[in-house]
Amino acid sequence: GENVEQHPSTLSVQEGDSAVIKCTYSDSASNYFPWYKQELGKRPQLIIDIRSNVGEKKDQRIAVTLNKTAKHFSLHITETQPEDSAVYFCAAKGDKLIFGTGTRLQVFP
Amino acid sequence: DAGVIQSPRHEVTEMGQEVTLRCKPISGHNSLFWYRQTMMRGLELLIYFNNNVPIDDSGMPEDRFSAKMPNASFSTLKIQPSEPRDSAVYFCASSPTTSSREQYFGPGTRLTVT
Repeated sequence: GENVEQHPSTLSVQEGDSAVIKCTYSDSASNYFPWYKQELGKRPQLIIDIRSNVGEKKDQRIAVTLNKTAKHFSLHITETQPEDSAVYFCAAKGDKLIFGTGTRLQVFP
Repeated sequence: DAGVIQSPRHEVTEMGQEVTLRCKPISGHNSLFWYRQTMMRGLELLIYFNNNVPIDDSGMPEDRFSAKMPNASFSTLKIQPSEPRDSAVYFCASSPTTSSREQYFGPGTRLTVT
């Protein structure tokens, strides 16, 4: 069946550094790729998404890139801040939304 | 808009008991999703409904799990009998349609089965 792989599972960075999280997907019919941020004890919340007809999208300190040929997509966070610390999930949607396994990001002051 | 509403927020029950989780989607949303989240397995889609009709229940782990959506504003996820391995956070999410991309998550129900 369809699956989404996400790496790394944990990521620690110093405040101000950049963080990159990468995902690959198997379903070539996937056409929508959202990223969710989940803070401890809270619900997943959409932070940015990209559709299959676009290669890159940016929103302030967050950017996503998509390589449909390689079935890769990535989340880039620049100038990280302690409040960016959370678990980040990628997902890919073909028939249904399949989530990656999550990346726990810790930003140290 | 109150967002997706789930109840209870926390449930502690003994093995063998029946558990019912409830969800009220955002008004006007036609699609509803039930997810389970654990440390070991991450976020898993259990079942989703479109216009109150179950479309895909392939994620439901076994016959002990059942879900219903009797009307557009209410859904239940039932576990009978419950087992300790069912302990997880159960999220309900809704979206305007199944083709709509964004899903809005409820606050979740933390279930502990002892």
